[in-house]
Amino acid sequence: EVQLVESGGDLVQTGGSLRLACAASGFTFSTCGINWVRQAPGKGLEWVSYISSSSSTIYYADSVKGRFTISRDNAKNSLYLQMNSLRAEDTAVYYCARDHADSVVAFDIWGHGTMVTVSS
Amino acid sequence: SSELTQDPAVSVALGQTVRITCQGDSLRSYYASWSQQKPGQAPVLVMYGENNRPSGIPDRFSGSSSGNTASLTITGAQAEDEADYYCNSRNSSTNHRVFGGGTKLTVL
Repeated sequence: EVQLVESGGDLVQTGGSLRLACAASGFTFSTCGINWVRQAPGKGLEWVSYISSSSSTIYYADSVKGRFTISRDNAKNSLYLQMNSLRAEDTAVYYCARDHADSVVAFDIWGHGTMVTVSS
Repeated sequence: SSELTQDPAVSVALGQTVRITCQGDSLRSYYASWSQQKPGQAPVLVMYGENNRPSGIPDRFSGSSSGNTASLTITGAQAEDEADYYCNSRNSSTNHRVFGGGTKLTVL
């Protein structure tokens, strides 16, 4: 079964750090671009970051640039998001989402999400 | 603010046709994709490209695009189609992905 499974979400204090992980299975992870997308409680989807299959291309939303770092380990079929200097507005469910092979826009596989709560 | 604009809410009578729209400059360069999200669940891709449905998505879902507007049409809406629908695209200058604010579809 093709799937992505996120982990690492937790309650963290303002200014703290957290590392999320996304484990891939059922497909050739090393050939796919992967994204992080988040959703604050009761709000819409917000794209956070993208990493290409070889890690050669990385993008960040302006809201997280300089605080978050995306990375991947193709040998372990895993994606990561290191989040530093966390703020209350980073509170959200974080999803990893795979790029569709036939589209430069679409996300064809989503994980179930992991909840990050930032509180003082 | 979102670079893609969607109506916050739309309603449709059971079995009727509904169109959900998405507007933004990025849609002049890229086709939108559409994802469906039901409460407490992860999004699911329902439409991408010019008019492509992923495997398992009913053919009552169709997509179209004109100028800076993309549309997702559900012909013969079913109760199970009640959900939030998000369009997304890509900013051609930054290559960042962008989402619309989402449309809550109610099936009456």
